[in-house]
This record gives sequence, structure tokens and C-alpha cells, in this order.
Amino acid sequence: NAGVTQTPKFQVLKTGQSMTLQCAQDMNHEYMSWYRQDPGMGLRLIHYSVGAGITDQGEVPNGYNVSRSTTEDFPLRLLSAAPSQTSVYFCASSTMDRTFNEQFFGPGTRLTVL
Amino acid sequence: AQKITQTQPGMFVQEKEAVTLDCTYDTSDQSYGLFWYKQPSSGEMIFLIYQGSYDEQNATEGRYSLNFQKARKSANLVISASQLGDSAMYFCAMRETSGSRLTFGEGTQLTVNP
Repeated sequence: NAGVTQTPKFQVLKTGQSMTLQCAQDMNHEYMSWYRQDPGMGLRLIHYSVGAGITDQGEVPNGYNVSRSTTEDFPLRLLSAAPSQTSVYFCASSTMDRTFNEQFFGPGTRLTVL
Repeated sequence: AQKITQTQPGMFVQEKEAVTLDCTYDTSDQSYGLFWYKQPSSGEMIFLIYQGSYDEQNATEGRYSLNFQKARKSANLVISASQLGDSAMYFCAMRETSGSRLTFGEGTQLTVNP
């Protein structure tokens, strides 16, 4: 199993550009999520999904869109990049098992918006 | 709303000694899960240990143990016999009852000195 994969690893954008961060998992996990990590602030939840066709907002959703057309994929779209979106982005997935559901993280995407 | 507090931005420990990283949480839920993740300088998120709110025993995983004090709402991570490779950022996180969302603390940067 590849686990959770993210592409690209690094990206530089200019203000106003759009792009999609890709995330895929091969563990048949129902739950997928996107976090951003900024210095001194831990990880903050952007959007999440509990299954194909179902998405919801997290703590910091503004400026980001998501969709979940398949169980495996959960792309994150930046429609008009801003310098405030410079961050490291992590995708994660887990089962919905209530007893124990470790979240598996991708390797992260380091995004710089100039 | 759930909240995780890690009050130690940085900690230092001598190699082979034990260290405790503090984590307190705030929730009105009766059922929840607590996680610790390690983030080395390479950036990936590594799951360390999990404690369920109804677990009667403190969780242990090798050199890691979780000192769970439910009444105090604390879930401190204890690392025994520290190694140089333990130098990393450590995050405490809590899963909400009704889903799989994780709320993270701000992290503690641990440095192990030879």
C-alpha cells in the first residue's frame, strides 16, 4: 500500500493564480481531510469528507474548495492564491471506526504564494 | 468547542533521561480520543500513541506512554530513555465524539542533548 500520497511536494504561486493540491489514499478510508500547518499554530482543519459526495468545512475553509467524487481522491483547490495561504498542507485519511481511528498523513505540500 | 493546550513551546532533555510533554484538553464530550504525533525535521507526521476516554489503563507503546488523568483533562506524553532521534516537534490532538475530526495543539519542540 502506498498509504496517503500528495502531489506536488513543493509549489510556488503568484498572487491570484489557481491550483489544485492532489491527495489520494489506497486504504479504502471513508474519512479524508486537509490541514494547513503554520509556525506556532499547529495543524488547522480546512475541509473534510466522510465519504464520496460528502464534504464539510473545517476551522479555516475560506479561500479553499474541495470535492470528493471517489473514495480514493480528495483534491484541494485554491481558486485565487493569496500570500496568507503560504503554508504546509497535509492530507490525512482514516476509517470511521469509533474505537480507534488513527489518521494517516501524507508527506505534505509546501506552498509559497508570492 | 474542543481545545488542546500544549504549554511548553520547547523542551530540552539529556540523552537516556525521561521527559514529559504536557497536554491539557477541554471538551464537553464524554467519549473522545487523544493522540500524540511526532513531526521530525523532515516534516512527516508520525503517529505515536492513542488513548480512548473510556480506556482504564494508560496507553503504552514501547518507550512512549500516555499519562491520562481524566479528571484533570490532561494527557501527557512520557518518553523514557530519550534518544537523539527523538528530537522533533510533538503534537497532541483530540478526536471529537461525533466524527473523525482532529483538533491539534500548537506543539512542543523537543531537543535531546548528547
